[in-house]
Amino acid sequence: QQPVQSPQAVILREGEDAVINCSSSKALYSVHWYRQKHGEAPVFLMILLKGGEQKGHEKISASFNEKKQQSSLYLTASQLSYSGTYFCGTPNSGYSTLTFGKGTMLLVSP
Amino acid sequence: DAMVIQNPRYQVTQFGKPVTLSCSQTLNHNVMYWYQQKSSQAPKLLFHYYDKDFNNEADTPDNFQSRRPNTSFCFLDIRSPGLGDAAMYLCATSRVRASGGDEQYFGPGTRLTVT
Repeated sequence: QQPVQSPQAVILREGEDAVINCSSSKALYSVHWYRQKHGEAPVFLMILLKGGEQKGHEKISASFNEKKQQSSLYLTASQLSYSGTYFCGTPNSGYSTLTFGKGTMLLVSP
Repeated sequence: DAMVIQNPRYQVTQFGKPVTLSCSQTLNHNVMYWYQQKSSQAPKLLFHYYDKDFNNEADTPDNFQSRRPNTSFCFLDIRSPGLGDAAMYLCATSRVRASGGDEQYFGPGTRLTVT
C-alpha cells in the first residue's frame, strides 16, 4: 500500500521552513526519505527506525510516530539546493522492498 | 567515483523492438532493484534480486525480464516495448533488505523513448 504524502507541493522563499508529512494505513517499522532533483536520480536523506534510531543527513531532521504510523520531514532555513521532489518510502510485507509515496515537490526561490 | 552505473543514459527504440538496459555496481551490495519512473510519478518497483534470488512484483508485466549474471551486473530486458513503456528506468542497490534499515543507492537512470 502506497504511503500518503502531504502537501503535494510547497513553494518557499530561501530561509523559510517547511514540513513534509508521510502517513501509512499499516504498521510501520521504518520510514525512508529520498530527494530527487529534476532529471536526476533519487538521493538518500534519512531512515527512521522503530525505537527511535535514525540514520542520515545531519542537517535535516525528521520524526517518526509509530503509533500514528506517520513521519514528518523538517526542512529548516531552506536553501535553494533543497528544491526537488521528496519521497517517503515504507517497507512492503516481507520487508524486502519499499513502496514510495507520490512525492512532495518543494521549490525554494531566492 | 560512480557507484551505480547505468548504460546507456538515453535509449531510443522502436515499437516492438527488444531492448536491454544495463546496470553495474562497485559497492558489492547484495540487493539490486529495477524501478520504472514516469513523469511526475514515484518510482515503481519492477523486481529485485537478493543475491541470485529473483523477486518479481505481482503487477510487473511479463514483457519485462531481468538477469543478474553476477553480483556486480544486472540487466533489464524489455521484450516488446510499447509506447506506454517510455519512462526513466532506475537501478538501485542496497546492502541488505529494506527492513535492515539500509539506504538504497540509485544509478543516474536510463531514459527510454519508444517511437
